[in-house]
Amino acid sequence: DGGITQSPKYLFRKEGQNVTLSCEQNLNHDAMYWYRQDPGQGLRLIYYSQIVNDFQKGDIAEGYSVSREKKESFPLTVTSAQKNPTAFYLCASSILGTGDEQFFGPGTRLTVL
Amino acid sequence: AQSVTQLDSHVSVSEGTPVLLRCNYSSSYSPSLFWYVQHPNKGLQLLLKYTSAATLVKGINGFEAEFKKSETSFHLTKPSAHMSDAAEYFCVVSDQRNTGKLIFGQGTTLQVKP
Repeated sequence: DGGITQSPKYLFRKEGQNVTLSCEQNLNHDAMYWYRQDPGQGLRLIYYSQIVNDFQKGDIAEGYSVSREKKESFPLTVTSAQKNPTAFYLCASSILGTGDEQFFGPGTRLTVL
Repeated sequence: AQSVTQLDSHVSVSEGTPVLLRCNYSSSYSPSLFWYVQHPNKGLQLLLKYTSAATLVKGINGFEAEFKKSETSFHLTKPSAHMSDAAEYFCVVSDQRNTGKLIFGQGTTLQVKP
């Protein structure tokens, strides 16, 4: 089955630690995205990538980093510089990165202890 | 710049009654518009999309939306609500600069009462 997988589903982190969230897709999509969702709010874009080895900052990139070494993978690292990292993180992908629909993974809930 | 406004943060209906979730958008060009649904602790699922073809768009699970350019609206409707429709709904507009970015509304929580 084609789709997007995110792991882990739940993640706990101590303050001061970096943590990496995994996102893999087998849809052969060019573009991939990371969003953050907080209670009662819409999705906010963290980073996006339209092609391998290239990525762009979204609206709230501070305290986050990404890499795109393979077309199917787009991991997100939440660094200790992110002041309020507890949130639900969603990864998405799309065909051409030109405003077409995006397909979403199941999400990772990160809690900082 | 584009934006999207969902006019109700919370809508409550009884099972079997119609659903109306309201969305207004702002765009300098003819936009692509989407409605997504999110069940608790899940990812988002596409309900339907408008891409400048027919103005009445039919989606999954009996939902439909009508694009009204004169009113800059893209309201989501369903004739008869089901308990399984209880979820968060997002109205979304595509970034006109062809960056692939989507701009999300704040979401509307739909409650369905038995």
